[in-house]
Amino acid sequence: EVQLLESGGGLVQPGGSLRLSCAASGFTFTNYAMSWVRQTPGKGLVWVSGISGGGGATYYADSVKGRFTISRDDSKNTLYLQINSLRAEDTALYYCAKNFRYSSDYYDYWGQGTLVTVSS
Amino acid sequence: QSVLTQPPSVSAAPGQKVTISCSGSSSIIGNNHVSWYQQLPGTAPKLLIYENNKRPSGIPDRFSGSKSGTSATLGITGLQTGDEADYYCGTWDSILGAGWVFGGGTKLTVL
Repeated sequence: EVQLLESGGGLVQPGGSLRLSCAASGFTFTNYAMSWVRQTPGKGLVWVSGISGGGGATYYADSVKGRFTISRDDSKNTLYLQINSLRAEDTALYYCAKNFRYSSDYYDYWGQGTLVTVSS
Repeated sequence: QSVLTQPPSVSAAPGQKVTISCSGSSSIIGNNHVSWYQQLPGTAPKLLIYENNKRPSGIPDRFSGSKSGTSATLGITGLQTGDEADYYCGTWDSILGAGWVFGGGTKLTVL
């Protein structure tokens, strides 16, 4: 059974940093692309970043380029999102999602999300 | 403003049929597969339709998808109160290089 478990969210001041983690199980992690998708409470889904299986390629939404860094540790079956220079508009529930195979493929599994709140 | 446009809300009575549209540019929808996700209140999104019209295992055939030109459509027949949720379309933007794009979401109310 595929499971994705996010962690690392919390309350942080503007300008601060956080590292989100997504522990994956139930599939051969290194073979699959992964993504982070966020959702502001009461709003829609917004893709943030993606990484290919093995980590050779990374992709970012324009709104987070230069501030967010996606990475993966295939030895630990874990996906990460380093978030720097946090802004109020980054407040959201961050979901980890597994691509069917490649970064352009649909998302067949989603985690339950980790909440990031940016406030002074 | 989303690259993919969905109606904010739709409603219908139990047992009826409803369709949810997802429109975008010919370069995005026309050149890529569309998938649909169901988000029940307070839960994570769940894959409902992939590659325009395919259903994952466990998704009832009351749910269907289609794509034509610059639009995709999600259809739900035999509506149940348990279908009340937000529905999102999504696709990979291979033309503008914007990565994945989602529609703004449609809230389905089963009256």
